[in-house]
Amino acid sequence: EADIYQTPRYLVIGTGKKITLECSQTMGHDKMYWYQQDPGMELHLIHYSYGVNSTEKGDLSSESTVSRIRTEHFPLTLESARPSHTSQYLCASSPGLAGVNEQFFGPGTRLTVL
Amino acid sequence: QQQVKQSPQSLIVQKGGISIINCAYENTAFDYFPWYQQFPGKGPALLIAIRPDVSEKKEGRFTISFNKSAKQFSLHIMDSQPGDSATYFCAASGHTGGFKTIFGAGTRLFVKA
Repeated sequence: EADIYQTPRYLVIGTGKKITLECSQTMGHDKMYWYQQDPGMELHLIHYSYGVNSTEKGDLSSESTVSRIRTEHFPLTLESARPSHTSQYLCASSPGLAGVNEQFFGPGTRLTVL
Repeated sequence: QQQVKQSPQSLIVQKGGISIINCAYENTAFDYFPWYQQFPGKGPALLIAIRPDVSEKKEGRFTISFNKSAKQFSLHIMDSQPGDSATYFCAASGHTGGFKTIFGAGTRLFVKA
C-alpha cells in the first residue's frame, strides 16, 4: 500500500469559502502532482512539483494554488470555492527515474461546493 | 505530440472472456508505459508496466503487448472476472517533459457474471 495520504476524504462547503486540501507522502519522492477527476473520467493534471520550492501549473487551468515547502507535503488551496470546483482531487508522487516512474496515488478528496 | 489515445471508452466482457484495451502514443522519447487500475472511490494504482525494449510483459492474467514501430501498446486481461470491473488508464512518461505522466482518457470495463 502506497504511503501517500490525503485529508479530508470528503468535504462539503459553501460558495466563497477558503479551503486547503492536504497531501503528504513518506516515500521521499521529489515529484508530486495534483489531478482533478470527475468520477470514473479522465485525469486532469492541475499542478506539479519537482521538489521543494518548485511548483508548476498543469495542463488544465485551475483557480487553485499549491506550495511545496517540505518534500513530504504538497497542499492545494482554493481561496474562494465555487460550485464549478466540485470534483475529486487526487494527489500523487513519483520517484521520477528514467524507465521507472510509477505514480503513487492517494485516496482522493471528494469536494462538493454548494 | 504529448497525447496518449486510448480505446475503447467502455467495454463489456463476459466472465472468462478476454478484455483488450488499446493505446497509441506519439512521443518517441517516452520510456515507461504503465497501466493503472481504478476502483470507484479510490485513487488509481499501478497494475503492470513495460519499457520499450521489450515487446511483451505478463503478470498473472494481465499482459501488455508493445509495438514500438507502430507506437502502440495494449492491455490484455485473460479469464476476465467480475472483480476486474474498474476503470483502466494507460499512460506514458519519459525524461522529456520532466517525467510528467501522460494519461489516456480511460476505459470503463464491466465484466458480466
